[in-house]
Amino acid sequence: NAGVTQTPKFRVLKTGQSMTLLCAQDMNHEYMYWYRQDPGMGLRLIHYSVGEGTTAKGEVPDGYNVSRLKKQNFLLGLESAAPSQTSVYFCASSYSPWGGGAYGDTQYFGPGTRLTVL
Amino acid sequence: GENVGLHLPTLSVQEGDNSIINCAYSNSASDYFIWYKQESGKGPQFIIDIRSNMDKRQGQRVTVLLNKTVKHLSLQIAATQPGDSAVYFCAEKYAGNMLTFGGGTRLMVKP
Repeated sequence: NAGVTQTPKFRVLKTGQSMTLLCAQDMNHEYMYWYRQDPGMGLRLIHYSVGEGTTAKGEVPDGYNVSRLKKQNFLLGLESAAPSQTSVYFCASSYSPWGGGAYGDTQYFGPGTRLTVL
Repeated sequence: GENVGLHLPTLSVQEGDNSIINCAYSNSASDYFIWYKQESGKGPQFIIDIRSNMDKRQGQRVTVLLNKTVKHLSLQIAATQPGDSAVYFCAEKYAGNMLTFGGGTRLMVKP
């Protein structure tokens, strides 16, 4: 049981390039999330999904797209990377919406992807 | 660690002492709270959670206290160990809404 995995772990892009970050979970969770973490700031929600084939915008969606073609995978895409998208990206999943359905039913996070846009 | 900011509040404790990490939350209607631990270069790891109908909840070496009157959450770590060194942050949730995360506190344990 690997939990939540993310690929790649590190990536350097030039401004204008595109890339896709992959998140996979083996816990059969319906709900998945993409966050970004910037120095001194709390995690901010980019997009989320409440089930296979569904996606929704979070707090900071601009410049990103997502897809959830399979229940276990949640992809985050950057079509034209900008330096402002330099960040650490975390994927998470949960059994209930946002976690908190029961004690311990929370969001479980992957190890993160460090992205630098030059 | 590269995933924490230069301006995070820092708590420095001696190994074996108890640690208390505080968090002020923003929404008086929040009904669910979580503490996460984040080690350098890793993703956040769930520590303990509490609902708004409780004031205190205990886990293994950790206790979470909730004071709804002043919108304050604290995490107490007993007999702090070097492996507890990390950034700790709280999160709150209101009804069916998204989690809102705090900025975090860096805990440094001196051997």
